[in-house]
Amino acid sequence: DVKVTQSSRYLVKRTGEKVFLECVQDMDHENMFWYRQDPGLGLRLIYFSYDVKMKEKGDIPEGYSVSREKKERFSLILESASTNQTSMYLCASTAGTSKGTNTGELFFGEGSRLTVL
Amino acid sequence: QKEVEQDPGPLSVPEGAIVSLNCTYSNSAFQYFMWYRQYSRKGPELLMYTYSSGNKEDGRFTAQVDKSSKYISLFIRDSQPSDSATYLCAIATLGGFKTIFGAGTRLFVKA
Repeated sequence: DVKVTQSSRYLVKRTGEKVFLECVQDMDHENMFWYRQDPGLGLRLIYFSYDVKMKEKGDIPEGYSVSREKKERFSLILESASTNQTSMYLCASTAGTSKGTNTGELFFGEGSRLTVL
Repeated sequence: QKEVEQDPGPLSVPEGAIVSLNCTYSNSAFQYFMWYRQYSRKGPELLMYTYSSGNKEDGRFTAQVDKSSKYISLFIRDSQPSDSATYLCAIATLGGFKTIFGAGTRLFVKA
């Protein structure tokens, strides 16, 4: 059974803290994504990666960075957390045959709900 | 204008009802149309997808795409309480990396 695992389901952090959200997939997928989900706004793409050490900005990259040192692992980093980054963060992966291409189906983790006080 | 518009609901129906969920999109370049289902405190999972205009049926679910109107729909027949979830429409370009999601419609099916 395919799996995307997000290490932290619930986090509470203080303004200014550095936050790491970890995601691991066991499907040997090339492409990995970080979305945030907010009521009324749906899922918005923060960053994605189509290969190890490669990353591309999504629609809302400000305040975030990412790291992909190994194919199966994609980390989202909040350098200095702010209250407007309180949200549900969803990691996803999908297979691809070359840079950025995908088969369409995104496999999601269960999400990490972050609260910044 | 958002690229995908979806009424967030909530939508509440009795068990056994036919449910209609809808989205509109603005860019005709999108060719790949999907519906994801998201249960509470879970990540979304792909429910149905289609590449073309017309209907695609899978059990109690039917996905419908009208490219001329840029309108996509999901119909659920004989709805069950287990169908209670948020349904997200999504569009993408074939071969591209970007999937764009609607805001999601929250559905409640009452027993």
